[in-house]
Amino acid sequence: EVQLVESGGGLVQPGGSLRLSCAASGFTFSSFVMHWVRQAPGKGLEYVSAISSNGGSTYYANSVKGRFTISRDNSKNTLFLQMDSLRAEDMAVYYCARVGNGGTYYDYWGQGTLITVSS
Amino acid sequence: QSALSQPRSVSGSPGQSVTISCTGTSSDVGGYNYVSWYQQHPGKAPKLMVYDVSKRPSGVPDRFSGSKSGNTASLTISGLQAEDEADYYCCSYAGSYSLRVFGGGTKLTVL
Repeated sequence: EVQLVESGGGLVQPGGSLRLSCAASGFTFSSFVMHWVRQAPGKGLEYVSAISSNGGSTYYANSVKGRFTISRDNSKNTLFLQMDSLRAEDMAVYYCARVGNGGTYYDYWGQGTLITVSS
Repeated sequence: QSALSQPRSVSGSPGQSVTISCTGTSSDVGGYNYVSWYQQHPGKAPKLMVYDVSKRPSGVPDRFSGSKSGNTASLTISGLQAEDEADYYCCSYAGSYSLRVFGGGTKLTVL
């Protein structure tokens, strides 16, 4: 059974940093592209960042470019999101999502982890 | 990249059909046959319902169907059931650098 379990969320002050993790199991993690998607409270879904299966290519939404860093450790089946210079507008539930074999959709999602940015 | 446009809400009675639209541009919805739809119940993670415009993952009832015309994609749910009440989001591949763009979401109410 495919499982994605996020962790690392919590309360952080504006300008602070946080590192999210997503532990994957039930599939060959190193074979799949992975994304982070977020959802602000009461709002819709927003693409945040993507990483290729071997970690060699990374992509970011304009809203987080230069502040967030996506990475992965295929030996530990874990996806990461380093978030620096956090702003109030970054407050959201962050989901890790697996990109399906076709490369065009998300076939599995984690349960999400909440980031609260407040002083 | 602007979000795709979806109606804020739709409703229907059990057994009826509803259609949710998702309007983008030629740079996303209209440019690729890579629209997917997700169902999200309150407090839960999104679930894939339709991908590549009209394909259904295994386990998704055939009451859910997708289509596209020009820059607008649609999700139709036929034979509405109470458990279909949820938020629905469309998502499109947008070409460059693995970019995805989502719709603002549609709340489906089963009356």
